[in-house]
Amino acid sequence: DQQVKQNSPSLSVQEGRISILNCDYTNSMFDYFLWYKKYPAEGPTFLISISSIKDKNEDGRFTVFLNKSAKHLSLHIVPSQPGDSAVYFCAASAEGGGATNKLIFGTGTLLAVQP
Amino acid sequence: DAEITQSPRHKITETGRQVTLACHQTWNHNNMFWYRQDLGHGLRLIHYSYGVHDTNKGEVSDGYSVSRSNTEDLPLTLESAASSQTSVYFCASTYPSRHHNEQFFGPGTRLTVL
Repeated sequence: DQQVKQNSPSLSVQEGRISILNCDYTNSMFDYFLWYKKYPAEGPTFLISISSIKDKNEDGRFTVFLNKSAKHLSLHIVPSQPGDSAVYFCAASAEGGGATNKLIFGTGTLLAVQP
Repeated sequence: DAEITQSPRHKITETGRQVTLACHQTWNHNNMFWYRQDLGHGLRLIHYSYGVHDTNKGEVSDGYSVSRSNTEDLPLTLESAASSQTSVYFCASTYPSRHHNEQFFGPGTRLTVL
């Protein structure tokens, strides 16, 4: 059973507009969430994270929102740029940020930003 | 600069052969992980290690093994390759921290089993 779900396999957005990528989870023990970005033929790279004690974290053009009651998080990219075109993975951890660092990944969303 | 590398980047093998994928990191991270990426499944954990001589099974460990003889390396072995193991394999590492769960990924190995 998929504990972390990204229900949109793909998303197409115009350059300059907002991109919103969504992620749902089922395990209420998850307390740390991350977004990774992956270009073709490269490994995933860390983008932004959020702890369950927060509901928002912002880093430049990237903002992650967490709704614990709905078990939902979203990544907002404003404004979207063609270089943002990549696969975005949502990941979650239930280890309290401790030494185990195990992550559960979603299936990914392919974002295409059109010039 | 510290980094994590994987070799080979591409590998074609035949069913039944033993294959070993290498992963090497220079960050001195204790925690290392192996994932496979498949369409529709995202990244799934195969095996992981929290230090030298420590290994643990992940979600999809059948048919795979790992060994950790030093901090820097976690090779992944397919004992008898099967077509279902055609995939892209990623190695990752992280330093255990109470405040950060970020994992650093290698560039991946694309494995084709014919």
